[in-house]
Amino acid sequence: DVKVTQSSRYLVKRTGEKVFLECVQDMDHENMFWYRQDPGLGLRLIYFSYDVKMKEKGDIPEGYSVSREKKERFSLILESASTNQTSMYLCASILSGGTYEQYFGPGTRLTVT
Amino acid sequence: QKEVEQNSGPLSVPEGAIASLNCTYSDRGSQSFFWYRQYSGKSPELIMSIYSNGDKEDGRFTAQLNKASQYVSLLIRDSQPSDSATYLCAVAYGGATNKLIFGTGTLLAVQP
Repeated sequence: DVKVTQSSRYLVKRTGEKVFLECVQDMDHENMFWYRQDPGLGLRLIYFSYDVKMKEKGDIPEGYSVSREKKERFSLILESASTNQTSMYLCASILSGGTYEQYFGPGTRLTVT
Repeated sequence: QKEVEQNSGPLSVPEGAIASLNCTYSDRGSQSFFWYRQYSGKSPELIMSIYSNGDKEDGRFTAQLNKASQYVSLLIRDSQPSDSATYLCAVAYGGATNKLIFGTGTLLAVQP
């Protein structure tokens, strides 16, 4: 079974703090994704990575950066958290050249006060 | 702009009935289609994938794909209260990016 884990289920941070969200997958997947999910807006892609140290912007990259130093680990960084970044953050991974099936981690509910 | 459209619902069906969830997409080049189930406060869980026109059955779930009309649907037979969730339709971009576009989901409520 594919296993994708995220570092925290719930996180509360203050405005201006630097926030790190970590995602780890144990299936040797090449591609990893970060989404945020907000009511009425659905899942929106922030960044994705198709290999170690490789990344591409998604639809809403502003205010975020990512890091992928090892194949199994993909980190999302909020450089200076703002209240409009309060959201559910979801990580997913997929086998490259495979079936496009994405498997999600449990999600991190981030609240910025 | 590639889009995936779903009726937000809620779709309310009695226990034991067939629930029918629909999705349309704009990119004619799309080849891969997925249904995810998402319980409140949880992450999406992949329940069906379909790649060819026609029907694909897995237990109580049947996915239907019509590429000419650009729609994909999910039928849930013998609906149970435990099926109450939001169902997300997802479509793969054409090409090799491995990215998916998600609809905003349909909320299904199965009444006991």
